[in-house]
Amino acid sequence: AQSVTQLDSHVSVSEGTPVLLRCNYSSSYSPSLFWYVQHPNKGLQLLLKYTSAATLVKGINGFEAEFKKSETSFHLTKPSAHMSDAAEYFCVVTRGGADGLTFGKGTHLIIQP
Amino acid sequence: NAGVTQTPKFRILKIGQSMTLQCTQDMNHNYMYWYRQDPGMGLKLIYYSVGAGITDKGEVPNGYNVSRSTTEDFPLRLELAAPSQTSVYFCASRWGRGAPEAFFGQGTRLTVV
Repeated sequence: AQSVTQLDSHVSVSEGTPVLLRCNYSSSYSPSLFWYVQHPNKGLQLLLKYTSAATLVKGINGFEAEFKKSETSFHLTKPSAHMSDAAEYFCVVTRGGADGLTFGKGTHLIIQP
Repeated sequence: NAGVTQTPKFRILKIGQSMTLQCTQDMNHNYMYWYRQDPGMGLKLIYYSVGAGITDKGEVPNGYNVSRSTTEDFPLRLELAAPSQTSVYFCASRWGRGAPEAFFGQGTRLTVV
């Protein structure tokens, strides 16, 4: 079985300050992990992925995440928030099998001007 | 490259009506999925398919049916719409085992009244 816990349902930061979105996972095998972003009334876009290669993963738009097996975490960070980063972010785990992805409940990122 | 295409984008149904949500992908992916998204709940897997003629239930299959007659198409059928099926529905696809990244359509917002 696998599960994902996103530790914050809402995160609010000021424009230009760092962003940290926290994610913990549970898995009985070596997982693949993803962060997806969903802008209002849009589909889901892949930000970055971890698939057992480098533990520090760089994604689009300046985001990165670090896979820490000992802490079962995959937190998403960005050094400097931009207004366009305001969106819903989902942490996702999969074992790569046919039965798809397991989603966290999402973190709503608010950017204050 | 269109990717994953869903139609319609919006629909209002009356209780007891039926409808089919269409999903087509042009990436020759083997695996296809239907998810529903409810506020604060992330995405839940309804049904999935690993190839033409093969489908299986996900976490929340009750009230839905699927078919997969071709690699490209994976329609989702609601037979007797209920208010509990008010949701946003996403279709997704991925190449297969060893390629865990999924690509999503833009979603169908369904309201049952």
